[in-house]
Amino acid sequence: AQSVAQPEDQVNVAEGNPLTVKCTYSVSGNPYLFWYVQYPNRGLQFLLKYITGDNLVKGSYGFEAEFNKSQTSFHLKKPSALVSDSALYFCAVRDNSGNTPLVFGKGTRLSVIA
Amino acid sequence: DSGVTQTPKHLITATGQRVTLRCSPRSGDLSVYWYQQSLDQGLQFLIQYYNGEERAKGNILERFSAQQFPDLHSELNLSSLELGDSALYFCASSVGGTLSTDTQYFGPGTRLTVL
Repeated sequence: AQSVAQPEDQVNVAEGNPLTVKCTYSVSGNPYLFWYVQYPNRGLQFLLKYITGDNLVKGSYGFEAEFNKSQTSFHLKKPSALVSDSALYFCAVRDNSGNTPLVFGKGTRLSVIA
Repeated sequence: DSGVTQTPKHLITATGQRVTLRCSPRSGDLSVYWYQQSLDQGLQFLIQYYNGEERAKGNILERFSAQQFPDLHSELNLSSLELGDSALYFCASSVGGTLSTDTQYFGPGTRLTVL
């Protein structure tokens, strides 16, 4: 069965500093990995996904994520955090077997302090 | 704005009652997914419909059912409601039904409160 772990419930970072939100996964085949962001009282917004190819994926709002197969990780990064990046971030995975549901992590709350 | 719409935004009802949540997918999307988000369970996949037919089932209770209509909108029916059903219910849509690479786009959600 596939699973996702987001080991940090909360990440605090100062505005202008780089940020990292961690994600590790477990799937039986090749993984397809996604990051979503949820602002208060809003639905989830798609940020980026890794399907194949370059391990560094660039997405919306200056975010990027690095796929590391040996460490089964897909950490979300941004070089310079903004206060407006404060939100709940979800990592999700599905395998390439066909019609498997998208499995989400528990979420990491990012707080960017001015 | 993802292009996925959900109604109503908020729903307050009593235990034992039945409610219907509605979702319209993005234009051109054939798949609709339903998720439940609660504080203790996180985001749980309930069910997927593709072009009117059930495609995948997750942790959906027998008291819950869904359908997708010919115009591709979907409804999630929750019956014999219990306090523990209080949650945010999200609908998502994607272009295809079987492609694991498809991106799912989420609606704003319906917040259900059962008193």
